[in-house]
Amino acid sequence: GENVEQHPSTLSVQEGDSAVIKCTYSDSASNYFPWYKQELGKRPQLIIDIRSNVGEKKDQRIAVTLNKTAKHFSLHITETQPEDSAVYFCAASINTGNQFYFGTGTSLTVIP
Amino acid sequence: DSGVTQTPKHLITATGQRVTLRCSPRSGDLSVYWYQQSLDQGLQFLIQYYNGEERAKGNILERFSAQQFPDLHSELNLSSLELGDSALYFCASSYRDRAYEQYFGPGTRLTVT
Repeated sequence: GENVEQHPSTLSVQEGDSAVIKCTYSDSASNYFPWYKQELGKRPQLIIDIRSNVGEKKDQRIAVTLNKTAKHFSLHITETQPEDSAVYFCAASINTGNQFYFGTGTSLTVIP
Repeated sequence: DSGVTQTPKHLITATGQRVTLRCSPRSGDLSVYWYQQSLDQGLQFLIQYYNGEERAKGNILERFSAQQFPDLHSELNLSSLELGDSALYFCASSYRDRAYEQYFGPGTRLTVT
């Protein structure tokens, strides 16, 4: 089955700096890659996603890039703010289908 | 609030016991997904039901079982509990049979002592 690896496991940045989280996947059939944000004690929430026919997608301060050849995708957060502090999970699936394979999460701390 | 409800919020039980976690999807949603979130393994997909039928199965142990009832609520049954089953169990729901549309519930924290 699919194996998703995520790095780093923890990340601290100064407010205003950028944060980058990277994930790799193993199954070349995977073609949908969502990112979830989970604040402390709360439920995961979808923040951005990308499909394999697109190389990059942006939504305000958040962007995701995908390299299908290398089988990796990354989350980029620019101008970080304290409220960006959370655990971020990447995931991979086939055809936006039923089974998401999640990475192990990155705990992001934005230092004011 | 996404409208997905889970009960109970917290559950403490002993090894060897059996528990049932309940999930009510958002109004109109037909799919229910169950996930286990433990400290060392992150979020793991367990199982999905769509309109009462099992649709996809992930890393669900044989000691665990689930079902979706005619009113679309779902229950996850965990039996012969072990310390390692301590985790946060999330339910998510979506209208269609597509996980990208899923909204997560608040979770049930299970502690096995």
